[in-house]
Amino acid sequence: QKEVEQNSGPLSVPEGAIASLNCTYSDRGSQSFFWYRQYSGKSPELIMFIYSNGDKEDGRFTAQLNKASQYVSLLIRDSQPSDSATYLCAVDHTGGFKTIFGAGTRLFVKA
Amino acid sequence: SQTIHQWPATLVQPVGSPLSLECTVEGTSNPNLYWYRQAAGRGLQLLFYSVGIGQISSEVPQNLSASRPQDRQFILSSKKLLLSDSGFYLCAWSEAADGYTFGSGTRLTVV
Repeated sequence: QKEVEQNSGPLSVPEGAIASLNCTYSDRGSQSFFWYRQYSGKSPELIMFIYSNGDKEDGRFTAQLNKASQYVSLLIRDSQPSDSATYLCAVDHTGGFKTIFGAGTRLFVKA
Repeated sequence: SQTIHQWPATLVQPVGSPLSLECTVEGTSNPNLYWYRQAAGRGLQLLFYSVGIGQISSEVPQNLSASRPQDRQFILSSKKLLLSDSGFYLCAWSEAADGYTFGSGTRLTVV
């Protein structure tokens, strides 16, 4: 059973701090890694994807991938109350056909 | 630009009743289409995916079925709903292995 594990949280950080969200996966053959943001009652929205080991930055967001450790993380710099949401980690090894999602980490950013 | 439409937004159905959820995509051709379900506090579970008209792959044995009668139309159905079918149903599309775009979702409550 291929799995994606996330700490359910909630993770609480003050406004302006760095929020660090972590994810581990079980399938060493995984090729694509995604972070989605899901506001309460809404559908998920893709915010980052990463394919290669290392860091990928997009604005306040940085995705980090370590395939040897089977570990993916998302850093949110200068966290804002509007970043409060559930963040879903997703992993794929099939070219996009069978992406597996973690249960998500709830993030609260306190003003 | 591409858009995805999903309806209805909310549905309350009695046990044993039929179900039909529809999803359409605009602005793209031959997309990969997916149905996911999200139970309360759980991750997204892939139900069905389709890479073309009339082609359906089922991931989870259950009383649900899917059809793709047109290139950009994906339908999720059931002949008789169970209590365990309650959840947040999400349609998604992708063109490559760079992540999904989700519809707004249907919150189904089976009573």
